[in-house]
Order: sequence, then C-alpha cells, then structure tokens
Amino acid sequence: QLLESGGTLVQPGGSLRLACAASGFTFSSYTLSWVRQVPGKGPEWVSSVFQRSSGKHYADSVKGRFTISRDDSKDMVYLQMNSLRDDDTAIYYCVKDREDDGIWEFDYWGQGTPVTVSS
Amino acid sequence: DIVMSQSPLSLPVNPGEPASISCRSSQSLLRSRGYNCLSWYLQKPGQSPLLLIYLGSTRASGVPERFSGSGSGTDFTLKISRVEAEDFGVYYCMQGLQTPITFGQGTRLEIK
Repeated sequence: QLLESGGTLVQPGGSLRLACAASGFTFSSYTLSWVRQVPGKGPEWVSSVFQRSSGKHYADSVKGRFTISRDDSKDMVYLQMNSLRDDDTAIYYCVKDREDDGIWEFDYWGQGTPVTVSS
Repeated sequence: DIVMSQSPLSLPVNPGEPASISCRSSQSLLRSRGYNCLSWYLQKPGQSPLLLIYLGSTRASGVPERFSGSGSGTDFTLKISRVEAEDFGVYYCMQGLQTPITFGQGTRLEIK
C-alpha cells in the first residue's frame, strides 16, 4: 500500500513537500517514483529514486526545482517541490516499480494527493 | 523522448463484444533479452491507474484472462475478448525502456 500526503493549495513560487508512506512490501528493494496527472489528462512521470538512493531521475519539466528522496528506515519517499508554477497543478501519485529489472512498470499506485498552484 | 501514440482515442463498445486498442512507440521498446518494455493500465473514474499488462504481454496478478497484450518493437495491441461492465474507463500504454517514462494519450472505452 502507498499513502501520499502533503498536497494542498500553494502560491506560485512557493514550496511544498509531498510524502508517501509504504507498507506491505520490502520497501528498500524497489524503485519508487512520482507520477502526476491533471484531471482529464494522461499521467506524466515526474521523478524516480532507485534502491539505496543509488540513482535519481527527473523529468525535464521539474529538473532543478523538484528533489526526490527516500528513507528506507521509515519506508518513506518524498518529493520536495520548489519554485512551483501553475502548470505543476495536478494529482501526484506515489508509485512502485514492479521489479528491479531495469524496466519501468508501475504495479502499485497510491490514491494520489492533489496539488494546486494558484494565487 | 519516446512518443507513445494510441488509437482510437474513443472506443464505443457493447458489453459482450470484443475490443482492441493500438499503441505505437516512436522507437523500438524491445530490449536485448527479448523483453518489450511496454505496459498497459486501466483508469476508472476517480481511481488510480491499475496495471493490467507488463512486458508487452504478461497479465498482472489478478487480471482476468479476457485481457491480452501482444506486439513487439514499436507496435502493440491490447485486446479484450468480451467487454464487461467493469472494463469501461481509460486505457493507457506506457513505455518503460528509458526515462523520461512516457504514456500514450489514453483510449476511452465507453458503452455504446
């Protein structure tokens, strides 16, 4: 199970930290990602963090503004979002990679947390 | 970036009839070990996407046998042998070969 929190209304230029609490699997063995979706649109991959934080990837649209991290001692993954823009408004999902095989497949999704960037 | 294109974008179907959705990628999703890095998801209104098919043709745990995935390289198809009421929603294909991970535009399976 993946349970996101932290989504809220924030002004443009502001910051927000999303959190995702994981349970029911060996958290440290899997890559975790954030995927966002504007209601009525398709999903958009945002960022991923590998096992032991050995690697991190970001979409170009968030590179330099967002930072993904994980705490394997707490089974938590985070997304620090800075310099937020109107087009960051979306539902943010925490997702788990199916297997550590170098192929991205998302077998578990959280329920999502809504982020609204507006003045 | 790998561009994913789905067709049709809307698919009206009567329950009990078959359905087929196409997904094309702008470059091959076939890896050296013969795996296709293509997965399919179903999103119902108000819910998170659900993994249906991975590696192009492997059904995820709990997914009914009426769902099947096929294709290789750049052309993939999701088929539903007989559509049931619970199957209506938006279907997405996703490439998992490289980042940025990209999704198709979605195909809305709706009741005719």
